[in-house]
Amino acid sequence: DTGVSQDPRHKITKRGQNVTFRCDPISEHNRLYWYRQTLGQGPEFLTYFQNEAQLEKSRLLSDRFSAERPKGSFSTLEIQRTEQGDSAMYLCASSLTFFYEQYFGPGTRLTVT
Amino acid sequence: EDKVVQSPLSLVVHEGDTVTLNCSYEVTNFRSLLWYKQEKKAPTFLFMLTSSGIEKKSGRLSSILDKKELSSILNITATQTGDSAIYLCAVETGGYTGANSKLTFGKGITLSVRP
Repeated sequence: DTGVSQDPRHKITKRGQNVTFRCDPISEHNRLYWYRQTLGQGPEFLTYFQNEAQLEKSRLLSDRFSAERPKGSFSTLEIQRTEQGDSAMYLCASSLTFFYEQYFGPGTRLTVT
Repeated sequence: EDKVVQSPLSLVVHEGDTVTLNCSYEVTNFRSLLWYKQEKKAPTFLFMLTSSGIEKKSGRLSSILDKKELSSILNITATQTGDSAIYLCAVETGGYTGANSKLTFGKGITLSVRP
């Protein structure tokens, strides 16, 4: 499979719990992006990596959110002490390098109860 | 703050109709404009536009960028029920070396094609 994959596809958690999502980009893509999408809105940028370096973080990314991309391959996004407002679809995308088209994974739908 | 506005927000057409979807933007350090199709899953890439006035085509879909007017249109001819989806416009911005590159999306246009 040559597409972007994400795991899990769905996650239901209780408020206050920590969750972690994983993204596997298209191989040889050195850029990896995380977005969040809520109903009726387009995806909103959260952060991106160039290889293993996290180069930018959005203001949306509070200190409860952390992302890593060890060895420049897969990436994880962790949300600590989840809140109901964190309920959304979390999308991962990758691109060959900057200013190339981004390809999206299927997303992880998070529901915080 | 970078802004991308799409119009109309939704429309309903009948199979065989031609539709035009609009996207306008106000951003700093424009690099490209992209169109995506989103059904009940992740966005699927359609087009990437960097130069003004050059039309990109893929089957019944075509798109063109107007950098003077800061806008783009996506045309779909001979629509089919399978074209029913949300169409997202996104603008990539960033420095020449790729620093600070990101996509800013519009809210999307919901297209419904009736048989």
